Amino acid sequence: GAVVSQHPSRVICKSGTSVKIECRSLDFQATTMFWYRQFPKQSLMLMATSNEGSKATYEQGVEKDKFLINHASLTLSTLTVTSAHPEDSSFYICSASYGLAYNEQFFGPGTRLTVL
Amino acid sequence: SQKIEQNSEALNIQEGKTATLTCNYTNYSPAYLQWYRQDPGRGPVFLLLIRENEKEKRKERLKVTFDTTLKQSLFHITASQPADSATYLCAPSGGANNLFFGTGTRLTVIP
Repeated sequence: GAVVSQHPSRVICKSGTSVKIECRSLDFQATTMFWYRQFPKQSLMLMATSNEGSKATYEQGVEKDKFLINHASLTLSTLTVTSAHPEDSSFYICSASYGLAYNEQFFGPGTRLTVL
Repeated sequence: SQKIEQNSEALNIQEGKTATLTCNYTNYSPAYLQWYRQDPGRGPVFLLLIRENEKEKRKERLKVTFDTTLKQSLFHITASQPADSATYLCAPSGGANNLFFGTGTRLTVIP
């Protein structure tokens, strides 16, 4: 149980275009979803936290107008990278939790974004 | 701001030996600490959680200790196998929703 999927797994786009990444909890209802970014040989950096039906809470230094997060249901969150540039190329990973007291998070397989 | 450091970027050990990974944190007092495994190009997978009032936690060949005085957690894999080769991440947490990850240690178990 507790499976999280992401789509697409890889995406290549031209500079200036927008890219949407989906994160789904397949067999549980996620009260909270998280978006992380990971650059090569670096650890995961939390970008934002979102609860269903609420606005996302962004970490310091993350532009909310560039990284749009929508958490429309208890099983789906989307991250849209608007006007992507080469420096946005990274590995984007979502995770979901369902309110365990100690917040075990279940991670998706990640999406590799390459902006040309 | 909080800082999380894992002892080394990479660790190589011989198959069958015990691997010991270190996680040190500063500038806060986590109520619990989690360890995750991450394989290349994949999302992390939860391994173990230890609470601040627990000194040690075991799960099969894994053992985690948590020393709140030293602000340190040790992660041990006994009887290591090549399949244990991966990056291991620690994530101390203060009890809120958010997890902040350490830099990770890339473990390679040599047959």
